[in-house]
Amino acid sequence: DAGITQSPRYKITETGRQVTLMCHQTWSHSYMFWYRQDLGHGLRLIYYSAAADITDKGEVPDGYVVSRSKTENFPLTLESATRSQTSVYFCASGVLAGVPDTQYFGPGTRLTVL
Amino acid sequence: DQQVKQNSPSLSVQEGRISILNCDYTNSMFDYFLWYKKYPAEGPTFLISISSIKDKNEDGRFTVFLNKSAKHLSLHIVPSQPGDSAVYFCASSGSQGNLIFGKGTKLSVKP
Repeated sequence: DAGITQSPRYKITETGRQVTLMCHQTWSHSYMFWYRQDLGHGLRLIYYSAAADITDKGEVPDGYVVSRSKTENFPLTLESATRSQTSVYFCASGVLAGVPDTQYFGPGTRLTVL
Repeated sequence: DQQVKQNSPSLSVQEGRISILNCDYTNSMFDYFLWYKKYPAEGPTFLISISSIKDKNEDGRFTVFLNKSAKHLSLHIVPSQPGDSAVYFCASSGSQGNLIFGKGTKLSVKP
């Protein structure tokens, strides 16, 4: 199906474990983003990518790793999960930076770290 | 330090009446402002935007007003419908191509 998908939709893990959240888009958008949504904070940027093999940090990158070997995939890895990383994670993609109506969001992954 | 602020966490209006959602920002260099709508268990979806060179943009029942001198924007929904019940995020386009979001306002439209 066309669009942007995230998997898993729900994940429960334990402190210290490695977790990878997947994001896949079928539009061949150049830009991809990872945000986290927390109560009282809105959505905050974790990492973004302007193209394959180009990634950069956002506002809250600590504890996360990203890669982008293919344009359509942008996985987010929590190397050693902590309880503070319990959140809802949204992946987004867009054609051009700064063009406001071209960012499309996935359905989100709700991650709970026990 | 929040660059985009939505000071009302919730708003309740009657069906058919006007909903007004407010947003303040601190950075006068922002080029675009956007409103996103989010239903539970779904990702945010784009609703309407406005360029900093305009003071109003309309799209059907939705109008966004920008007051640059006050660093304030508002979203008007007229008439409000029960299906408009959602969380509304105000956002601005950041320097990294990302969106800088406010904390959101939960709108409830009662039949």
